This record gives sequence, C-alpha cells and structure tokens, in this order.
Amino acid sequence: DGGITQSPKYLFRKEGQNVTLSCEQNLNHDAMYWYRQDPGQGLRLIYYSQIVNDFQKGDIAEGYSVSREKKESFPLTVTSAQKNPTAFYLCASKDRANQPQHFGDGTRLSIL
Amino acid sequence: AQSVTQLGSHVSVSEGALVLLRCNYSSSVPPYLFWYVQYPNQGLQLLLKYTSAATLVKGINGFEAEFKKSETSFHLTKPSAHMSDAAEYFCAVSEGVGTGTASKLTFGTGTRLQVTL
Repeated sequence: DGGITQSPKYLFRKEGQNVTLSCEQNLNHDAMYWYRQDPGQGLRLIYYSQIVNDFQKGDIAEGYSVSREKKESFPLTVTSAQKNPTAFYLCASKDRANQPQHFGDGTRLSIL
Repeated sequence: AQSVTQLGSHVSVSEGALVLLRCNYSSSVPPYLFWYVQYPNQGLQLLLKYTSAATLVKGINGFEAEFKKSETSFHLTKPSAHMSDAAEYFCAVSEGVGTGTASKLTFGTGTRLQVTL
C-alpha cells in the first residue's frame, strides 16, 4: 500500500542537540510538507517543498531546517535554536494543485 | 490571505444524536475546502473535500458538508453520532486554481467531538 512513513514515532532531545525526523512517501507525490501541532493551536506549517532540491519556509521555520534530495524523502531537523521543540510533528504530501494532502502518523518530540 | 474559524473547541453529543461542527472561512479567491479527522496520536485522515463541484459534499463514515458561499461556511454534519466518531476534527482551506502543486492549506484550530452514551 502506498503511504507516508514517519519515524521514529517518539523522539527525545537533550539540550543543545539537533535531531532529525524522517518522512518517506511512496505515493510519487511532488509536494511535501512539515507541520507542527500543539494543543489548541491546530497545525502550523514549518516548511514545504514543491520539487526535489527546492523548499520554502512556512509560517514557523525558525529553528528548523529541511532538505529534499530525493522525491520520496523530506527530513526535518529540529536544531538547538528551536527553544520550544516539544510538539507533535506531521509530514504530508500531495500530487496536484488543490488535491488533498495525505498525512503520516506523526512523530512526538519531547525534551529530556 | 485565507483563514479558517472553527466555532467550539469542544462539542459533546449523545450517541445517535445529530453532529454539527462549524467552520467559517475567508479567502480572496474561490476556495477549496477540506475536513480532516484525527484520532489520538495519529495523523490526519481526509473526511471530505469541496472543489467547486456540488455544494453538498458526502464523505466517509456518513459525514457530509455543505458549502454556502453567502455565509462563507462549510459546516460538517452527521445525522446520527456513533461512539467511534469521537476524535478531533479540522477544517482547512486551500488557495484556488493556479497556485501550483504546493498550494498551502490553512487549518482551523480543531474541534474535539465527544460522544456519550
């Protein structure tokens, strides 16, 4: 079955540490997205990418970085500059304009 | 700029009762609208979408939504609630035609539906 795989499901970060969240899709979708979800705030867009080797900042990009070296992969790095990283992170993808986004099952990041 | 407002962060209904979850949007171009459902510790699953065809849209699990341009609304309904409907529901709006593959979604803050016996 085609879908989006996020790993790990749970991740813990120490102070001053960078961590990378994985997102892989086998839907052959061009566009991919990263969202952050906090209780009561809905989903906020961190970064998105339309094609390989291209990505744009979303609404809350500070303290995060991404890469898009392959069509199927869009990893997110939470850097030490992100002072409040505890949240649920969701990856999504879609193929054409105004089609629905498909979501992975998320990664929950916590601070040790 | 587009935005979405979901009235009521928590809604509680009895099993078998009508479910009504409210969504109002603002958009400077004809909108594409979506409802998603999220179960605990999972991603979002698409319930239904409006893409300028019929104004009454039927989705999965017995849900439907009606697009009302005059009211800028896209409320989600289900005639009879089931215990398995307990989840968080998100309304989202996308920019219209011509904005490219990576047109962005703007989400509401979500409504948590509780279903009681």
